Amino acid sequence: GENVEQHPSTLSVQEGDSAVIKCTYSDSASNYFPWYKQELGKGPQLIIDIRSNVGEKKDQRIAVTLNKTAKHFSLHITETQPEDSAVYFCAASTTLAGGTSYGKLTFGQGTILTVHP
Amino acid sequence: GAGVSQSPSNKVTEKGKDVELRCDPISGHTALYWYRQSLGQGLEFLIYFQGNSAPDKSGLPSDRFSAERTGGSVSTLTIQRTQQEDSAVYLCASAGLAGLYNEQFFGPGTRLTVL
Repeated sequence: GENVEQHPSTLSVQEGDSAVIKCTYSDSASNYFPWYKQELGKGPQLIIDIRSNVGEKKDQRIAVTLNKTAKHFSLHITETQPEDSAVYFCAASTTLAGGTSYGKLTFGQGTILTVHP
Repeated sequence: GAGVSQSPSNKVTEKGKDVELRCDPISGHTALYWYRQSLGQGLEFLIYFQGNSAPDKSGLPSDRFSAERTGGSVSTLTIQRTQQEDSAVYLCASAGLAGLYNEQFFGPGTRLTVL
């Protein structure tokens, strides 16, 4: 089955700096890679995702890159703010029969991001 | 519109008791997932329902765990004869209509504590 490794486990940055979280996956059939943000006491929320037909995707201060050859993908947060402090999870999944829906997610272990004012 | 809801938000039980956790998915979502999150850990897949298909139970850790989804909507995760190692946050997620690239929307979770 799929195995997703995530690093670092904790990340501390100053407000305004950039933060980078990296993940590797094992199953070459995986083709959908979402990133979730989890705040204390809440369920994870999708912040950005990337599919295997693209190498990079941006949404304001957040970007994700994917290297299918090396089987790794990364989350980049620029101009970090204290409200970015949370636990971030990467995940991987494959399409189901039919090709347009995704199955179960395999998650990384999470990164605790702390942004200091 | 309403998101995924779960109840109860917290459950404290004694070792050996049975518990039932409930998930109300987003209306119209055909896919429903249960995950378990142990303290400081990532999310562990438990079970997945998609429409009328047979559920994917490959993540259930033991036969004490079972889940059902009635009428294609509400789901109940049951843990029988609870053990202390079952203590965790149980998260439910639902995903959109079949045929679309469906992101998973998570509920707030049920925190289970087994004494």
